[in-house]
Amino acid sequence: NAGVMQNPRHLVRRRGQEARLRCSPVKGHSHVYWYRQLPEEGLKFMVYLQKENIIDESGMPKERFSAEFPKEGPSILRIQQVVRGDSAAYFCASSPRTGTIAKNIQYFGAGTRLSVL
Amino acid sequence: AQKITQTQPGMFVQEKEAVTLDCTYDTSDQSYGLFWYKQPSSGEMIFLIYQGSYDEQNATEGRYSLNFQKARKSANLVISASQLGDSAMYFCAMRGTGNQFYFGTGTSLTVIP
Repeated sequence: NAGVMQNPRHLVRRRGQEARLRCSPVKGHSHVYWYRQLPEEGLKFMVYLQKENIIDESGMPKERFSAEFPKEGPSILRIQQVVRGDSAAYFCASSPRTGTIAKNIQYFGAGTRLSVL
Repeated sequence: AQKITQTQPGMFVQEKEAVTLDCTYDTSDQSYGLFWYKQPSSGEMIFLIYQGSYDEQNATEGRYSLNFQKARKSANLVISASQLGDSAMYFCAMRGTGNQFYFGTGTSLTVIP
Protein backbone atom coordinates (compact mmCIF):
# COMPACT_ATOMS: atom_id res chain seq x y z
CA ASN A 1 0.00 0.00 0.00
CA ALA A 2 1.01 3.60 -0.26
CA GLY A 3 2.26 4.33 3.22
CA VAL A 4 -0.51 6.01 5.17
CA MET A 5 0.33 5.45 8.83
CA GLN A 6 -2.35 5.33 11.46
CA ASN A 7 -1.86 4.86 15.15
CA PRO A 8 -2.78 3.35 17.38
CA ARG A 9 -4.07 0.26 15.59
CA HIS A 10 -6.30 -0.55 18.52
CA LEU A 11 -7.65 1.81 21.14
CA VAL A 12 -9.76 0.98 24.14
CA ARG A 13 -11.57 3.71 26.01
CA ARG A 14 -14.17 3.82 28.77
CA ARG A 15 -17.34 5.79 28.26
CA GLY A 16 -16.71 9.48 28.81
CA GLN A 17 -13.02 9.42 27.98
CA GLU A 18 -11.40 11.06 24.98
CA ALA A 19 -10.04 9.21 21.95
CA ARG A 20 -7.31 10.67 19.77
CA LEU A 21 -6.58 8.97 16.48
CA ARG A 22 -3.53 9.94 14.45
CA CYS A 23 -2.86 9.75 10.74
CA SER A 24 0.31 10.52 8.84
CA PRO A 25 -0.41 10.74 5.11
CA VAL A 26 1.79 9.49 2.33
CA LYS A 27 4.81 11.77 2.02
CA GLY A 28 3.91 14.56 -0.33
CA HIS A 29 0.17 14.17 0.05
CA SER A 30 -1.54 17.23 1.40
CA HIS A 31 -5.12 15.96 1.45
CA VAL A 32 -6.48 13.78 4.22
CA TYR A 33 -9.84 12.08 4.59
CA TRP A 34 -11.34 10.29 7.57
CA TYR A 35 -13.90 7.51 7.30
CA ARG A 36 -15.74 5.37 9.81
CA GLN A 37 -16.59 1.72 9.30
CA LEU A 38 -19.19 0.04 11.46
CA PRO A 39 -19.30 -3.78 11.59
CA GLU A 40 -20.69 -5.36 8.42
CA GLU A 41 -20.81 -2.00 6.66
CA GLY A 42 -18.82 -0.04 4.13
CA LEU A 43 -16.85 3.07 4.93
CA LYS A 44 -18.72 6.28 5.61
CA PHE A 45 -17.10 9.63 4.90
CA MET A 46 -16.54 11.91 7.88
CA VAL A 47 -14.24 14.78 6.99
CA TYR A 48 -11.80 16.06 4.38
CA LEU A 49 -8.88 18.26 5.32
CA GLN A 50 -5.99 20.01 3.72
CA LYS A 51 -3.10 21.44 5.67
CA GLU A 52 -4.55 23.73 8.36
CA ASN A 53 -8.01 23.73 6.73
CA ILE A 54 -11.19 21.71 7.04
CA ILE A 55 -12.61 21.50 3.53
CA ASP A 56 -15.66 19.31 4.02
CA GLU A 57 -16.98 18.03 7.34
CA SER A 58 -20.42 17.08 6.13
CA GLY A 59 -20.08 13.54 7.43
CA MET A 60 -18.88 14.47 10.88
CA PRO A 61 -21.26 14.27 13.85
CA LYS A 62 -22.02 17.76 15.08
CA GLU A 63 -20.97 17.12 18.64
CA ARG A 64 -17.96 15.50 20.31
CA PHE A 65 -16.04 14.93 17.06
CA SER A 66 -13.34 17.19 15.69
CA ALA A 67 -10.47 16.89 13.25
CA GLU A 68 -7.38 18.84 12.44
CA PHE A 69 -4.45 18.66 10.06
CA PRO A 70 -1.82 21.06 11.32
CA LYS A 71 0.99 22.52 9.29
CA GLU A 72 3.40 20.18 11.02
CA GLY A 73 2.58 16.72 12.25
CA PRO A 74 -0.15 14.19 11.66
CA SER A 75 -3.84 14.67 11.21
CA ILE A 76 -5.81 14.06 14.39
CA LEU A 77 -9.38 12.83 14.76
CA ARG A 78 -10.59 13.58 18.29
CA ILE A 79 -13.66 12.09 19.88
CA GLN A 80 -14.62 13.58 23.22
CA GLN A 81 -16.73 11.84 25.85
CA VAL A 82 -16.89 8.61 23.88
CA VAL A 83 -20.00 6.44 23.95
CA ARG A 84 -20.43 2.78 23.05
CA GLY A 85 -21.85 3.74 19.66
CA ASP A 86 -18.49 5.26 18.74
CA SER A 87 -16.97 1.77 18.64
CA ALA A 88 -15.88 1.29 15.04
CA ALA A 89 -12.89 1.18 12.74
CA TYR A 90 -11.69 4.63 11.73
CA PHE A 91 -9.77 4.89 8.50
CA CYS A 92 -7.64 7.68 7.21
CA ALA A 93 -6.85 8.14 3.53
CA SER A 94 -4.61 10.57 1.70
CA SER A 95 -4.32 11.78 -1.85
CA PRO A 96 -1.87 14.04 -3.64
CA ARG A 97 -4.50 16.47 -4.88
CA THR A 98 -8.18 16.82 -5.30
CA GLY A 99 -10.08 17.33 -8.47
CA THR A 100 -13.52 17.32 -9.89
CA ILE A 101 -13.12 13.88 -11.27
CA ALA A 102 -11.85 11.04 -9.61
CA LYS A 103 -8.77 9.67 -10.88
CA ASN A 104 -7.53 10.90 -7.62
CA ILE A 105 -6.95 7.70 -5.80
CA GLN A 106 -7.24 7.74 -2.06
CA TYR A 107 -4.70 5.54 -0.30
CA PHE A 108 -5.84 4.15 2.99
CA GLY A 109 -4.12 3.40 6.24
CA ALA A 110 -4.70 0.20 8.17
CA GLY A 111 -7.26 1.84 10.42
CA THR A 112 -7.72 2.33 14.15
CA ARG A 113 -10.14 0.01 15.88
CA LEU A 114 -11.81 1.90 18.70
CA SER A 115 -13.56 -0.08 21.39
CA VAL A 116 -15.58 1.77 23.99
CA LEU A 117 -16.26 -0.16 27.18
CA ALA B 1 -27.58 11.54 -4.36
CA GLN B 2 -24.74 9.11 -4.82
CA LYS B 3 -25.23 5.47 -4.01
CA ILE B 4 -23.28 2.26 -4.43
CA THR B 5 -24.99 -1.12 -4.24
CA GLN B 6 -23.28 -4.46 -3.80
CA THR B 7 -25.91 -7.19 -3.70
CA GLN B 8 -23.68 -10.17 -2.97
CA PRO B 9 -22.87 -10.41 0.74
CA GLY B 10 -20.75 -13.50 0.18
CA MET B 11 -19.24 -15.35 -2.76
CA PHE B 12 -17.29 -18.56 -3.13
CA VAL B 13 -14.95 -19.45 -5.96
CA GLN B 14 -12.74 -22.41 -6.68
CA GLU B 15 -9.03 -21.71 -6.79
CA LYS B 16 -7.85 -20.85 -10.35
CA GLU B 17 -11.37 -20.02 -11.49
CA ALA B 18 -12.64 -16.54 -12.39
CA VAL B 19 -15.20 -14.69 -10.29
CA THR B 20 -17.32 -11.59 -10.86
CA LEU B 21 -18.27 -9.28 -8.01
CA ASP B 22 -21.25 -7.06 -8.78
CA CYS B 23 -21.51 -3.32 -8.24
CA THR B 24 -24.17 -0.90 -9.38
CA TYR B 25 -24.15 2.80 -8.76
CA ASP B 26 -26.39 5.81 -8.93
CA THR B 27 -25.24 9.35 -9.53
CA SER B 28 -26.37 12.51 -11.24
CA ASP B 29 -22.79 13.61 -11.89
CA GLN B 30 -21.59 13.46 -15.47
CA SER B 31 -18.00 12.86 -14.43
CA TYR B 32 -17.21 10.28 -11.83
CA GLY B 33 -14.75 7.58 -10.97
CA LEU B 34 -15.32 4.03 -9.83
CA PHE B 35 -12.90 2.15 -7.61
CA TRP B 36 -12.49 -1.26 -6.10
CA TYR B 37 -10.72 -1.86 -2.82
CA LYS B 38 -9.76 -5.11 -1.11
CA GLN B 39 -9.92 -5.47 2.65
CA PRO B 40 -8.21 -8.65 3.93
CA SER B 41 -8.78 -9.93 7.43
CA SER B 42 -5.90 -7.79 8.67
CA GLY B 43 -8.14 -4.78 8.01
CA GLU B 44 -6.25 -2.48 5.69
CA MET B 45 -7.90 -1.14 2.53
CA ILE B 46 -5.94 -1.91 -0.60
CA PHE B 47 -6.64 -0.07 -3.85
CA LEU B 48 -7.17 -2.46 -6.76
CA ILE B 49 -8.49 -0.72 -9.85
CA TYR B 50 -10.03 2.50 -11.16
CA GLN B 51 -12.46 3.29 -13.99
CA GLY B 52 -13.32 6.81 -15.14
CA SER B 53 -16.78 7.55 -16.44
CA TYR B 54 -15.40 8.79 -19.73
CA ASP B 55 -12.99 5.92 -20.24
CA GLU B 56 -14.02 3.97 -23.29
CA GLN B 57 -12.05 0.87 -22.45
CA ASN B 58 -12.55 -1.32 -19.44
CA ALA B 59 -9.77 -0.98 -16.90
CA THR B 60 -7.41 -3.86 -16.25
CA GLU B 61 -4.74 -4.32 -13.59
CA GLY B 62 -3.09 -7.71 -13.70
CA ARG B 63 -5.68 -10.32 -12.74
CA TYR B 64 -8.27 -7.63 -12.03
CA SER B 65 -10.53 -6.16 -14.67
CA LEU B 66 -13.51 -3.90 -14.38
CA ASN B 67 -16.56 -4.65 -16.53
CA PHE B 68 -17.94 -1.14 -16.95
CA GLN B 69 -21.42 -0.83 -18.43
CA LYS B 70 -22.32 2.82 -18.26
CA ALA B 71 -25.88 2.54 -19.50
CA ARG B 72 -26.62 -0.05 -16.84
CA LYS B 73 -24.64 1.88 -14.23
CA SER B 74 -22.67 -1.17 -13.32
CA ALA B 75 -18.98 -1.62 -12.57
CA ASN B 76 -18.37 -5.26 -11.85
CA LEU B 77 -14.97 -6.52 -10.74
CA VAL B 78 -13.65 -9.63 -12.44
CA ILE B 79 -10.85 -11.56 -10.77
CA SER B 80 -9.27 -14.14 -13.02
CA ALA B 81 -7.35 -17.21 -11.88
CA SER B 82 -8.38 -16.84 -8.23
CA GLN B 83 -5.77 -17.45 -5.58
CA LEU B 84 -6.17 -18.31 -1.92
CA GLY B 85 -4.82 -14.88 -1.04
CA ASP B 86 -7.78 -13.29 -2.82
CA SER B 87 -10.03 -14.28 0.08
CA ALA B 88 -11.11 -10.92 1.52
CA MET B 89 -13.84 -8.31 1.60
CA TYR B 90 -14.16 -6.32 -1.60
CA PHE B 91 -15.63 -2.83 -1.67
CA CYS B 92 -16.84 -0.88 -4.67
CA ALA B 93 -16.59 2.89 -4.31
CA MET B 94 -17.46 5.95 -6.32
CA ARG B 95 -16.33 9.53 -6.35
CA GLY B 96 -18.24 12.18 -8.23
CA THR B 97 -17.59 15.89 -8.34
CA GLY B 98 -17.50 16.18 -4.58
CA ASN B 99 -14.78 15.35 -2.12
CA GLN B 100 -15.83 12.07 -0.71
CA PHE B 101 -15.94 8.46 -1.72
CA TYR B 102 -19.16 6.51 -1.42
CA PHE B 103 -18.70 2.87 -0.54
CA GLY B 104 -20.89 -0.16 -0.96
CA THR B 105 -21.48 -2.62 1.85
CA GLY B 106 -18.94 -5.05 0.44
CA THR B 107 -18.76 -8.63 -0.78
CA SER B 108 -16.94 -11.30 1.17
CA LEU B 109 -15.02 -13.55 -1.22
CA THR B 110 -13.80 -16.96 -0.17
CA VAL B 111 -11.45 -18.89 -2.43
CA ILE B 112 -11.75 -22.64 -1.99
CA PRO B 113 -8.67 -24.79 -2.55
